[in-house]
Amino acid sequence: EAQVTQNPRYLITVTGKKLTVTCSQNMNHEYMSWYRQDPGLGLRQIYYSMNVEVTDKGDVPEGYKVSRKEKRNFPLILESPSPNQTSLYFCASSFSQSSYNEQFFGPGTRLTVL
Amino acid sequence: KQEVTQIPAALSVPEGENLVLNCSFTDSAIYNLQWFRQDPGKGLTSLLLIQSSQREQTSGRLNASLDKSSGRSTLYIAASQPGDSATYLCAVRPDNAGNMLTFGGGTRLMVKP
Repeated sequence: EAQVTQNPRYLITVTGKKLTVTCSQNMNHEYMSWYRQDPGLGLRQIYYSMNVEVTDKGDVPEGYKVSRKEKRNFPLILESPSPNQTSLYFCASSFSQSSYNEQFFGPGTRLTVL
Repeated sequence: KQEVTQIPAALSVPEGENLVLNCSFTDSAIYNLQWFRQDPGKGLTSLLLIQSSQREQTSGRLNASLDKSSGRSTLYIAASQPGDSATYLCAVRPDNAGNMLTFGGGTRLMVKP
């Protein structure tokens, strides 16, 4: 089944403890990105990647890191999480930059930072 | 900066009604517009994608229109069903920001049996 998967789905952690949220797609998509969703603020892009080893900042990159060493994986790294990073996180992918390609989203990761 | 607004924020209708969800955006320079559905606690499911050169797209009971010059899109749902209850999000892809989508705040739809 073609899909975007994220792990973990739920995570409760404490301030300053490094964590990684994994994202993987099995559709051979070039483009991947991370969004966070917050009440009243909607979905905002954190980072995106056009292809392997190519990443760039989105609207709200502060406090996050990403890497794209393989085409299928795009992990989101929080080196020192803070309570304001409590949010619902989504990974997305699309085949390419073409305007004809819709974006597919993962199931979400709900992160709570205490 | 592109801003996307969805009105109404919430909508409750009886089963069987036809309904229209609205989406407006401030900058008409877009590549495409995508409508999504989000169920509580779940991810986003893509419903329809409209290219900037297109006027509408249809999928089953759903029809999405796009008027780029006026910065508007509508999602028409025919013969609504309780299973249509969800939050509907529209997102535009500006033509100068890679693949980044700018989302509206969503319309929370409740279809009552």
